[in-house]
Amino acid sequence: AAGVIQSPRHLIKEKRETATLKCYPIPRHDTVYWYQQGPGQDPQFLISFYEKMQSDKGSIPDRFSAQQFSDYHSELNMSSLELGDSALYFCASSFDATSGNEQFFGPGTRLTVL
Amino acid sequence: GQNIDQPTEMTATEGAIVQINCTYQTSGFNGLFWYQQHAGEAPTFLSYNVLDGLEEKGRFSSFLSRSKGYSYLLLKELQMKDSASYLCAVPPSNTGKLIFGQGTTLQVKP
Repeated sequence: AAGVIQSPRHLIKEKRETATLKCYPIPRHDTVYWYQQGPGQDPQFLISFYEKMQSDKGSIPDRFSAQQFSDYHSELNMSSLELGDSALYFCASSFDATSGNEQFFGPGTRLTVL
Repeated sequence: GQNIDQPTEMTATEGAIVQINCTYQTSGFNGLFWYQQHAGEAPTFLSYNVLDGLEEKGRFSSFLSRSKGYSYLLLKELQMKDSASYLCAVPPSNTGKLIFGQGTTLQVKP
């Protein structure tokens, strides 16, 4: 069965650079969630999209922005990168944005900021 | 707001049974999820409870008591591959996002 695809899987950037993370949800899933997981931490919700509109926003820095495109894939854009942005970034997808629906997580993008 | 509490670490022996507890406080309740996460990998869904009681799924079972704000994940016939973090997660009212507890790292020893 198709799973959530994330690219790239690994990314190394310098401070103050920009990064773009991509997420391709499971076919027919219309909701995408982004989570950030620092070392030894639990995943922290960043932002979500339902039917190409932002549906919820969490602890996402102003330096980050995201969107969902017409084919339902999503991109997380990160600017002015800081050392503290080094983390695993997971994308998850589900069928509709209501609570109670299982979220399927992608393999994650490991971002290292030097 | 949400407050979710789990033990940080647990150790158990291969073949044994282990119970991982989760207590939560939420402004509204829309069910509770358990996810398993191996180091450096994606969380994978284990269970979802919205009604009180025990739900069994193979070697894994999950229990919920809404009145007590309490859930547990029961793992039977432990295998070495069960060594992982187990995350309790609760979605806030009317949203799909997951708020995770800090996770319980389970180490299974031979």
